[in-house]
Amino acid sequence: AQKVTQAQTEISVVEKEDVTLDCVYETRDTTYYLFWYKQPPSGELVFLIRRNSFDEQNEISGRYSWNFQKSTSSFNFTITASQVVDSAVYFCALSPSWGNSGGSNYKLTFGKGTLLTVNP
Amino acid sequence: DVKVTQSSRYLVKRTGEKVFLECVQDMDHENMFWYRQDPGLGLRLIYFSYDVKMKEKGDIPEGYSVSREKKERFSLILESASTNQTSMYLCASSAPGQRFYGYTFGSGTRLTVV
Repeated sequence: AQKVTQAQTEISVVEKEDVTLDCVYETRDTTYYLFWYKQPPSGELVFLIRRNSFDEQNEISGRYSWNFQKSTSSFNFTITASQVVDSAVYFCALSPSWGNSGGSNYKLTFGKGTLLTVNP
Repeated sequence: DVKVTQSSRYLVKRTGEKVFLECVQDMDHENMFWYRQDPGLGLRLIYFSYDVKMKEKGDIPEGYSVSREKKERFSLILESASTNQTSMYLCASSAPGQRFYGYTFGSGTRLTVV
């Protein structure tokens, strides 16, 4: 069974602070995908990143960076110099990669989300 | 711009009513999903579909059914709405196999059952 844990239910920071959202996962699959989604107050979940389990390089996209550590089963997300527009619920998710687990390889397992509030 | 469109953003229904939530995608995706989102419980999968006329139960299918008569449309049906089905409902779609790159979500339908 797959499981994603986002231990931080809510985080509140002041604008321009750096903030890290934690994600720990469990899976028996040898290959898998990890995702982060952002859900702003408007409600729609927006895709941020997909990481393949065999690619452990960290990724940076503007103010966003992701730290994937297979040894600790973690895929943490850092926002540098946070802004009010970053306020949202952030979800980490996991799926088997293509070729694993037959028909279930299309299902994402989501964490419960972290509500980030960035105050001006 | 590719989209998953949910027919209503807000819906208020009475207990016992039959409720239809509609979802349409224009990406020619084979896979479609219905989730409900509740505070403290995250996203929970209700039903999903890999193909037309095909459906599988998710984690919380009780009280719900689905219909997928056309590839682009996936409907969630509450046969007899109850107050505990008040929730945010999210539809998503994805391509299968090697084309899988995660889900594309609709904007959600906030359903209130009174």
